[in-house]
Amino acid sequence: GENVEQHPSTLSVQEGDSAVIKCTYSDSASNYFPWYKQELGKGPQLIIDIRSNVGEKKDQRIAVTLNKTAKHFSLHITETQPEDSAVYFCAAVTGNQFYFGTGTSLTVIP
Amino acid sequence: DGGITQSPKYLFRKEGQNVTLSCEQNLNHDAMYWYRQDPGQGLRLIYYSQIVNDFQKGDIAEGYSVSREKKESFPLTVTSAQKNPTAFYLCASSIGWTDGYTFGSGTRLTVV
Repeated sequence: GENVEQHPSTLSVQEGDSAVIKCTYSDSASNYFPWYKQELGKGPQLIIDIRSNVGEKKDQRIAVTLNKTAKHFSLHITETQPEDSAVYFCAAVTGNQFYFGTGTSLTVIP
Repeated sequence: DGGITQSPKYLFRKEGQNVTLSCEQNLNHDAMYWYRQDPGQGLRLIYYSQIVNDFQKGDIAEGYSVSREKKESFPLTVTSAQKNPTAFYLCASSIGWTDGYTFGSGTRLTVV
């Protein structure tokens, strides 16, 4: 089955700096890659996603890039703000199965 | 507003008791899912349902049961057979198989 690895597990950045979280996957049949943000005590929320026929997608300060050849995709957050502090999960979708990474705890230091 | 509602937010259970977690959605989504989340781990799939009256086991279904009698509802029962039930449980729904999930706000279950 699919194996999704996510790095780093924790990340601290100064407010205003950029943050990058990377995920790798193993199954070349995976064709949908969503990213979720989970605040403390809450359920994850979809923040951005990308499908396998696209290399990059951007939504304001958030962007996702996909390298199908290398089987990795990354979340980029620019101009970070304290409210960006949360746990971020990536996922790779193969057929009807979602495979989640283990999460990255992002802390933005004011 | 459309959304997915989990209740209760916190739940305490004595060992040996069954307990049912509620999940209701008004998004008209066909697919619904239950995940378990433990500290430092990713989300692990317990059960999922594509349509009413049909559901499939996920990766860690042992000790759990579900029903899908209505499109809007997908309750999860944690049975006494589940050896380590203390965890954060998340319900989710989606329009189709390759669409992003909408998650509920979760239920934190503690066995005392």
